[in-house]
Amino acid sequence: EAQVTQNPRYLITVTGKKLTVTCSQNMNHEYMSWYRQDPGLGLRQIYYSMNVEVTDKGDVPEGYKVSRKEKRNFPLILESPSPNQTSLYFCASSLYLGGLTDTQYFGPGTRLTVL
Amino acid sequence: KQEVTQIPAALSVPEGENLVLNCSFTDSAIYNLQWFRQDPGKGLTSLLLIQSSQREQTSGRLNASLDKSSGRSTLYIAASQPGDSATYLCAGTTTDSWGKFQFGAGTQVVVTP
Repeated sequence: EAQVTQNPRYLITVTGKKLTVTCSQNMNHEYMSWYRQDPGLGLRQIYYSMNVEVTDKGDVPEGYKVSRKEKRNFPLILESPSPNQTSLYFCASSLYLGGLTDTQYFGPGTRLTVL
Repeated sequence: KQEVTQIPAALSVPEGENLVLNCSFTDSAIYNLQWFRQDPGKGLTSLLLIQSSQREQTSGRLNASLDKSSGRSTLYIAASQPGDSATYLCAGTTTDSWGKFQFGAGTQVVVTP
């Protein structure tokens, strides 16, 4: 089944404790992206990656890191989480051919609480 | 920076009525625009994608149009059903930054039986 998977789905942690949220897709997609969704602020893009080893900042990259060492995986790293990073996080991927981005497929979301 | 606005924020219609959802964007150099559906507590499901060279896309009861000159996209859902109740979001990207997506805040739709 074609899908984007995220782990963990739920996470409660404490301020300053490094964490990684994994994202994996099995569709051989070139493009991957991370978003956070907050009430009243909607979905905002954190980072995106056009291909392996190519990443770019979205609108809210502060406090986050990403890496794209393989096409299928795009982990989101919070080196020192703070309470303002409490949010619902989504990973997405899409096929990209010759400049035409295709439909984005979203993962189920990771609900992160930082105490 | 592309700004995307969706009005109204919420909409309630009786079953069978046609739904019209609006999405406005500020940068006419739009690369593509996508419509998504989000059910409570769930991820986003893509409904339609319109490339900048297209004026509309159709899938079943759904039709989305794109007017770059006016900075608007409209999603039509014909003969609404209670199962159409969800939040609908639009997202756009521009030609000079087409990997970067801006989302609207969404329109919450309730279709009453």
